[in-house]
Amino acid sequence: DAGVIQSPRHEVTEMGQEVTLRCKPISGHDYLFWYRQTMMRGLELLIYFNNNVPIDDSGMPEDRFSAKMPNASFSTLKIQPSEPRDSAVYFCASSRTGGTEAFFGQGTRLTVV
Amino acid sequence: QKEVEQNSGPLSVPEGAIASLNCTYSDRGSQSFFWYRQYSGKSPELIMFIYSNGDKEDGRFTAQLNKASQYVSLLIRDSQPSDSATYLCAVGGYYSGYSTLTFGKGTMLLVSP
Repeated sequence: DAGVIQSPRHEVTEMGQEVTLRCKPISGHDYLFWYRQTMMRGLELLIYFNNNVPIDDSGMPEDRFSAKMPNASFSTLKIQPSEPRDSAVYFCASSRTGGTEAFFGQGTRLTVV
Repeated sequence: QKEVEQNSGPLSVPEGAIASLNCTYSDRGSQSFFWYRQYSGKSPELIMFIYSNGDKEDGRFTAQLNKASQYVSLLIRDSQPSDSATYLCAVGGYYSGYSTLTFGKGTMLLVSP
C-alpha cells in the first residue's frame, strides 16, 4: 500500500479564498482523522470519521471549516473563507479498529496570505 | 481539558549517550500511551506504545510508564545523529481507540556527532 496520500503538498492562497485539502486513507482502515499542526498549539485533532461517518468534530475551530468523507477511500477538508491564522500543516491519518498505530500522510502545508 | 506536557527542548546529547524524554498528562483515566518521532518537514511516525506500568523495550528504545505519577518517558540508548528529531508524546483514553489521542507539543532532540 502507498500509505495515506494527501494533496496538495503545499498550498498558498489569498485570504478569503476557498481551500480544499484531500486525503486518501490506507485501504481497509475504518478510521480517518484530520489534524492541524502549528508551533504554538502543536498537533490538534480537528475531526475524525469512522466508517465514513463523522464522529467528533469538536476540534473544528469554526464554521469556516468543514469535512466530508463520501466514501471509504476519500476525504476532504474545506476552509471557506480562509484566513491568515489558518496557516498550518494539515495532516490526515488513518487507522483500523483494534490497531495500535495511526498512519499519517505527508501533510499539506497551507499558507494564507 | 486533557493536557499532555513536554519540555520543548532542545535536548542536546552527544552521540552514544542516553537521551531521556519525558511527558506528563492530566487525565487519570488515560489508558494508552504513544511516542511518535517527527523529522523536520515530515509526518509523525510511531516509535512505541505502552499500556501497562513499567518498562517496555524495543531495540534501543525503552518506554516507561508510571500511572500513579501520570508520567511517561522514552529512553534512547546509544543515541545516533539520525535520532535528531522532535518526539511527540500522545495519550489516549482506551486501548484501541485512536479517537481520544491528545498530543504534546513535542521535545526536540539534537544528537551531536
